Amino acid sequence: AQSVAQPEDQVNVAEGNPLTVKCTYSVSGNPYLFWYVQYPNRGLQFLLKYITGDNLVKGSYGFEAEFNKSQTSFHLKKPSALVSDSALYFCAVRTNTGFQKLVFGTGTRLLVSP
Amino acid sequence: DADVTQTPRNRITKTGKRIMLECSQTKGHDRMYWYRQDPGLGLRLIYYSFDVKDINKGEISDGYSVSRQAQAKFSLSLESAIPNQTALYFCATSDSPTGIREQFFGPGTRLTVL
Repeated sequence: AQSVAQPEDQVNVAEGNPLTVKCTYSVSGNPYLFWYVQYPNRGLQFLLKYITGDNLVKGSYGFEAEFNKSQTSFHLKKPSALVSDSALYFCAVRTNTGFQKLVFGTGTRLLVSP
Repeated sequence: DADVTQTPRNRITKTGKRIMLECSQTKGHDRMYWYRQDPGLGLRLIYYSFDVKDINKGEISDGYSVSRQAQAKFSLSLESAIPNQTALYFCATSDSPTGIREQFFGPGTRLTVL
């Protein structure tokens, strides 16, 4: 069965430092991977997706993600964190069998300190 | 996010009451979804609809029902609410899968069942 794992419940980083939020996936066939962000009292907002092609995907708000097929990972990164990046981040994979739904990870809370 | 609206935003109800959560979208998308979010569990799919005549159960549909009144409207009902249905509920939309499409989320409804 398709799944994603976000091994860290929370990531703490100082403003200005690089950040990484980890995600690993399990899917049969080609993986289609997504990152979403949830700010307090808001719905999920799409950040970026990987379909095919370049392993480094660039998205909104300066975020990027690196697809690594051998490690089955899709880590979210940003070179320089902002306090306003503090939010809940979800990785998701689209299933390739039956109804092509999104399967979400459990989320990682990012806290960026001033 | 304003393209997908949910009402009410917050609701407190008692065990046994019937509750309806409503979702409307102006994105013109065919597909609509209902998810619930629980801490530490991520988002889980309750129901999804490809169009007005096509409604399908997701992974946690027991205790819920839905109605797709029009392309733009998708309602979720709890026939007899119970406390473990206390959660944050999200509606989402996407267009037809020509290509790999992301989903767009509403702001959520926080439901508390006492």
